[in-house]
Amino acid sequence: DAKTTQPPSMDCAEGRAANLPCNHSTISGNEYVYWYRQIHSQGPQYIIHGLKNNETNEMASLIITEDRKSSTLILPHATLRDTAVYYCIVRALDTGTASKLTFGTGTRLQVTL
Amino acid sequence: DAGVTQSPTHLIKTRGQQVTLRCSPISGHKSVSWYQQVLGQGPQFIFQYYEKEERGRGNFPDRFSARQFPNYSSELNVNALLLGDSALYLCASSLEVRAYGYTFGSGTRLTVV
Repeated sequence: DAKTTQPPSMDCAEGRAANLPCNHSTISGNEYVYWYRQIHSQGPQYIIHGLKNNETNEMASLIITEDRKSSTLILPHATLRDTAVYYCIVRALDTGTASKLTFGTGTRLQVTL
Repeated sequence: DAGVTQSPTHLIKTRGQQVTLRCSPISGHKSVSWYQQVLGQGPQFIFQYYEKEERGRGNFPDRFSARQFPNYSSELNVNALLLGDSALYLCASSLEVRAYGYTFGSGTRLTVV
């Protein structure tokens, strides 16, 4: 699985959009970009994933650059409950007999009043 | 609907002891994965089970073992506990081995003293 690089921390004012970047310059053609988040003392929560097109769901939007070497997770109107560690993961869906998520250290997003 | 349930939520063990952690996946999910999360780091993959068979194993010593039951629930066993085994142990379930999204439980906090 390709490695990812994320800033260790970010701040965002409540109500503003939170834009979390991720670099994955060695991504392969069959690898998806996934985002999970982990709120303190809970298990990781799936947010969104994409291959090459931009994706949107009820939680967030995912913007993937045309060369697929980086992406941005957008929380359109951040709230205090969005304070969490956000993990960007690159993974091929078809990985043989096993399928695992390789977590880095993520970005700690602090949403403030 | 019940999510992924793990038990116990907290556990304190002494070095050298053995521990068994339990996980019940979401109803209908046939795959269970185990992750270890040491404080300050992202979760690290330990095992994946599907239809009672081990489908993948991470870089963990043989002191770690697991199994999956016919009802798809799973146990993680750790023998000869070390202080370094202190961590949050997370269980994730999915419909199949290769899935777009995994649902995590809240984990078992193991402290080895």
